[in-house]
Amino acid sequence: NAGVTQTPKFQVLKTGQSMTLQCAQDMNHEYMSWYRQDPGMGLRLIHYSVGAGITDQGEVPNGYNVSRSTTEDFPLRLLSAAPSQTSVYFCASSYSNGISLNTEAFFGQGTRLTVV
Amino acid sequence: LAKTTQPISMDSYEGQEVNITCSHNNIATNDYITWYQQFPSQGPRFIIQGYKTKVTNEVASLFIPADRKSSTLSLPRVSLSDTAVYYCLVDQTGANNLFFGTGTRLTVIP
Repeated sequence: NAGVTQTPKFQVLKTGQSMTLQCAQDMNHEYMSWYRQDPGMGLRLIHYSVGAGITDQGEVPNGYNVSRSTTEDFPLRLLSAAPSQTSVYFCASSYSNGISLNTEAFFGQGTRLTVV
Repeated sequence: LAKTTQPISMDSYEGQEVNITCSHNNIATNDYITWYQQFPSQGPRFIIQGYKTKVTNEVASLFIPADRKSSTLSLPRVSLSDTAVYYCLVDQTGANNLFFGTGTRLTVIP
């Protein structure tokens, strides 16, 4: 049971390049989400998904796209990278049964992205 | 989402008990209070969650007064490995659409 796995761990992009950050979980969690964390700040929600085929925007969605074709995977795409997207990105998953609120989110180890 | 206020930083000596208080004056009836811990270069990790009164697990205790407008995370006998940022979250969805503030940076001193 690997939990939440993110790849790559580090990435340097040039302005305008595109890339996909990968996130996979093996806990059969319905809910997955992407956060970014800038220096000295807490995490901010980018996009989330409540199940396969369903995605929605979070607090800071601009410049990012997501899709959820399977329960296990939730990739984050940067279509045209900008220096403002330099950050550490975290993927998280949780079990959501719509009834019990006492659940926890499991986070990946993060992807450190630098856009030059 | 209810907003939270916590101290920016705290220092403590090894072996002491540490109490981190979080204010959440606008907490809603359906909101739960959750604390996460984050070490450098790692994702946040769930510590404890509660709704009212007191919750205790193998890592920490969470004290919530009757009005639920604040909560206190208690870490017994901290060690150097407890140096981390601690986030207080208030959310009615449990673990979804989490709103993180800036957290409290705890530094444990030898």
